[in-house]
Amino acid sequence: DTGVSQDPRHKITKRGQNVTFRCDPISEHNRLYWYRQTLGQGPEFLTYFQNEAQLEKSRLLSDRFSAERPKGSFSTLEIQRTEQGDSAMYLCASSSPWGSETQYFGPGTRLLVL
Amino acid sequence: AQKVTQAQTEISVVEKEDVTLDCVYETRDTTYYLFWYKQPPSGELVFLIRRNSFDEQNEISGRYSWNFQKSTSSFNFTITASQVVDSAVYFCALTTNYGGSQGNLIFGKGTKLSVKP
Repeated sequence: DTGVSQDPRHKITKRGQNVTFRCDPISEHNRLYWYRQTLGQGPEFLTYFQNEAQLEKSRLLSDRFSAERPKGSFSTLEIQRTEQGDSAMYLCASSSPWGSETQYFGPGTRLLVL
Repeated sequence: AQKVTQAQTEISVVEKEDVTLDCVYETRDTTYYLFWYKQPPSGELVFLIRRNSFDEQNEISGRYSWNFQKSTSSFNFTITASQVVDSAVYFCALTTNYGGSQGNLIFGKGTKLSVKP
């Protein structure tokens, strides 16, 4: 059974550049979540999809951030005009709608903005 | 508001010692779920256990055990006879949106466990 995958695993960019991350959830999981984790902290919720619908956005998700899940399968998270404060681990998780609320996480994308 | 507190920032033990990681949560909802995740140095969060608010039975899985007490809003995690491979950051998390709602997890800050040989 394939787990959640994320690409790339690492990204180094210069301030002001745009970056895009991809997440492939566990197949048949219709719920997909994005979290951000900074050093020494627990993950913080960014946004949530149920199928292709984006149902919730955190206040952490500024207008420079956008997420999509066009066909209800994989999702992308784009950050425009990156800032040094965007340096973090970006985690994706998915869950099944049937009974279990357990979220399974991918390996994350570690972003460093220089 | 919901909140998870893991007061222990770092714990260091010697192999074969028992260790307990504390978790205290806050919520006004009567239906909620509690989780523990393990984050090894590789960075991936590994699911360990889920417990719902209506089930206060303690659970044991091999060397791992969990003590859920609603009276003290705590969900503590004990590793018996710790091993070097247990070294990781452990997160306690809470979700209160069940059954058709968002279900985003609220995490504590984590406890870094170091097990020395």
